[in-house]
Amino acid sequence: DTGVSQDPRHKITKRGQNVTFRCDPISEHNRLYWYRQTLGQGPEFLTYFQNEAQLEKSRLLSDRFSAERPKGSFSTLEIQRTEQGDSAMYLCASSFAGNEQFFGPGTRLTVL
Amino acid sequence: EDQVTQSPEALRLQEGESSSLNCSYTVSGLRGLFWYRQDPGKGPEFLFTLYSAGEEKEKERLKATLTKKESFLHITAPKPEDSATYLCAVQAFGDYKLSFGAGTTVTVRA
Repeated sequence: DTGVSQDPRHKITKRGQNVTFRCDPISEHNRLYWYRQTLGQGPEFLTYFQNEAQLEKSRLLSDRFSAERPKGSFSTLEIQRTEQGDSAMYLCASSFAGNEQFFGPGTRLTVL
Repeated sequence: EDQVTQSPEALRLQEGESSSLNCSYTVSGLRGLFWYRQDPGKGPEFLFTLYSAGEEKEKERLKATLTKKESFLHITAPKPEDSATYLCAVQAFGDYKLSFGAGTTVTVRA
């Protein structure tokens, strides 16, 4: 399978814990995006990488959120001190240059 | 700020009953308008990109059109497997992110 992959697919955690998600983009894609989606809404942009450089962060991305893309390959999204409001589907997408973005299956986070 | 409004929120169709979904947008210079399909619990699946007013794209029973203010996704003679949430998104010139609407959930009954 050569699509975007995300791990884990589901994560249940207790409030206050830290969680980390991983995204592996399509191999030739140099751009990688993170979005968050809550029930009944469309995805909301969180952050964007071109190769290993993080070029844009949404104001939705509080200080508790950090993302990395070492060596311009896979990316990780970490949420520290999780809150119940962080419960959502976290989606990763990748693209080659400014072309169509292809999404992964998402990581469903539930904060108890 | 880019804004995307989709209507209706939900659409229930009988198999074979054609219909259209609307996506109205406000963007400071449209680079592209994107349609995605999303099944429950899965990530969005890319369908079409439209770049300029008057452009049309087709795929099986789906046809997307674009004007300067809105886009339509026409579903012709739908089948139950067309049941999904259809998302519309815009990308502005010089921007990288997609701004999505809330989607239209289509249910096709056999």
